[in-house]
Amino acid sequence: GQQVMQIPQYQHVQEGEDFTTYCNSSTTLSNIQWYKQRPGGHPVFLIQLVKSGEVKKQKRLTFQFGEAKKNSSLHITATQTTDVGTYFCAGETGGSYIPTFGRGTSLIVHP
Amino acid sequence: NAGVTQTPKFQVLKTGQSMTLQCAQDMNHNSMYWYRQDPGMGLRLIYYSASEGTTDKGEVPNGYNVSRLNKREFSLRLESAAPSQTSVYFCASRPGQGDEQYFGPGTRLTVT
Repeated sequence: GQQVMQIPQYQHVQEGEDFTTYCNSSTTLSNIQWYKQRPGGHPVFLIQLVKSGEVKKQKRLTFQFGEAKKNSSLHITATQTTDVGTYFCAGETGGSYIPTFGRGTSLIVHP
Repeated sequence: NAGVTQTPKFQVLKTGQSMTLQCAQDMNHNSMYWYRQDPGMGLRLIYYSASEGTTDKGEVPNGYNVSRLNKREFSLRLESAAPSQTSVYFCASRPGQGDEQYFGPGTRLTVT
């Protein structure tokens, strides 16, 4: 079945440093979504990428979808303590009702 | 709109007891999902309902049953709880295929 690998599992950064998490799928995806989960909270949708090579930005967050639509990344510039949480990618193939989640990357920001 | 609501928020069960986790959404979404979240394991799909009247198994369905009671409600039942079912359970819904998911606040279940 479809698998989505996400690395790293944890990332410690000093406030102000950059952060990147990567997702790789075993199959070509029709779309990929990114979610953020604050400690003790529930996942909240951030963005969806659909097109090959797509790049989207949300303030300090940059999301990319690979040309082959099998990998994606989330980059945060100049992290802040408010960025703390676990970031999940979720990939979906055409015709499926089941998004497959990566295991998440937990971001810890040290002030 | 309340979005996705889940009850209860916390529950402690003894091995062998049964319980039903309730989920409701007021966004007129077609698809609903049940996930469990364990440390380091991400979100694993238990069951889903693509539309009212249908349910299907996900990645980890053993020990669980579901009911899509109507378009709003999707319940998860543990018939005979086991310690391995200690987890945080999230319900989610979305309008349809390829759309973003909206998650409920979760139910923290401990089985002793």
